Amino acid sequence: EAEVAQSPRYKITEKSQAVAFWCDPISGHATLYWYRQILGQGPELLVQFQDESVVDDSQLPKDRFSAERLKGVDSTLKIQPAELGDSAMYLCASSPLAGVSNEQFFGPGTRLTVL
Amino acid sequence: DQQVKQNSPSLSVQEGRISILNCDYTNSMFDYFLWYKKYPAEGPTFLISISSIKDKNEDGRFTVFLNKSAKHLSLHIVPSQPGDSAVYFCAASPTASGSARQLTFGSGTQLTVLP
Repeated sequence: EAEVAQSPRYKITEKSQAVAFWCDPISGHATLYWYRQILGQGPELLVQFQDESVVDDSQLPKDRFSAERLKGVDSTLKIQPAELGDSAMYLCASSPLAGVSNEQFFGPGTRLTVL
Repeated sequence: DQQVKQNSPSLSVQEGRISILNCDYTNSMFDYFLWYKKYPAEGPTFLISISSIKDKNEDGRFTVFLNKSAKHLSLHIVPSQPGDSAVYFCAASPTASGSARQLTFGSGTQLTVLP
């Protein structure tokens, strides 16, 4: 069964350091999402890609966060510098072409702890 | 401003009984609703969905009810099983033209099914 892959699964870093997360969506899925989930809350959208283009990054803190999907397949989310408040689960999800399905398929997430 | 609210952070139910999880929304533009289940250290997995043109959708032990006038939906699990113990997220989406839908999530309800 096709799955969304994410790495690393866990990351511990000190504040002011740079961190990067990687996501490989389900093959053929045109849309890719990055979410942040703080403990006790639901996932919140950070950025949405359609192929290699950013559809929505209005909730991405652009002073420290960046995301790219250069070839329209896998994607990287970077935080530089990390702050204590960035500790959270970072989830990647993918979806087929618009109109084909409304469902998003999630990866296992990266648990980030900033010390 | 929470557009999707799950007011019960937790729910405990006896095995074999019915579990009812509730969700309220405020955005009248939402026309598609989904429930996701999340186990610890895993990403959310899709459970069941409903379009606003329906008021009920059933899949095995899971039924989702939508009351558009009250902006309320509920997930019924009958009979509940210990393996159903997880966090359940309600999500809602407006119609999207030209790109895949965006989901707004509630804060989740931790369901515990007691043997």
